[in-house]
Amino acid sequence: DAGVIQSPRHEVTEMGQEVTLRCKPISGHNSLFWYRQTMMRGLELLIYFNNNVPIDDSGMPEDRFSAKMPNASFSTLKIQPSEPRDSAVYFCASSLVQGGGEQYFGPGTRLTVT
Amino acid sequence: QQQVKQSPQSLIVQKGGISIINCAYENTAFDYFPWYQQFPGKGPALLIAIRPDVSEKKEGRFTISFNKSAKQFSLHIMDSQPGDSATYFCAAKTGGKLIFGQGTELSVKP
Repeated sequence: DAGVIQSPRHEVTEMGQEVTLRCKPISGHNSLFWYRQTMMRGLELLIYFNNNVPIDDSGMPEDRFSAKMPNASFSTLKIQPSEPRDSAVYFCASSLVQGGGEQYFGPGTRLTVT
Repeated sequence: QQQVKQSPQSLIVQKGGISIINCAYENTAFDYFPWYQQFPGKGPALLIAIRPDVSEKKEGRFTISFNKSAKQFSLHIMDSQPGDSATYFCAAKTGGKLIFGQGTELSVKP
């Protein structure tokens, strides 16, 4: 299995621009999670989906952030407009069991907003 | 109540020594406690996990000790190797999501 796939791996953009991060979970996995990792705040859950339905988005920092999962094999995290404080590594993870703790992480997208 | 507190922040151990990382929690609703290992430039990877009805779990050189009454759990790495140098995160699950500790940067010196 290819594991969780994220793209792009690196993104550099200017403040005010729209940023879209993409994730392909492991085939057959029912839950998908978006995390943000920074030195200051550590690893934070932003949102998670079960069977393509958003279950908990309480970690989404602001209305500038939105996430979608149109089908079982694809999800996006969008930031519009982006700000320098959004600079972080964004991880996507998936798990086989809904609500399962055994999560498989992708390689992450390093976002830099200048 | 949703926090998981991890210590130490960083740890230096000699090759062959024992690395010990500790975590504490408050929420008694947590029902699953995994440890993740993260190498630079990579995503976290599940290392070992335990449920609260078990006091210890061992997989190779890695052992989780769990103290339910004290609401604490720890990771022990026996015979630590330079290849174990990474950042380790404890976590706790409630409902469908994981709450992560702040991480411990482990460096194993040859």
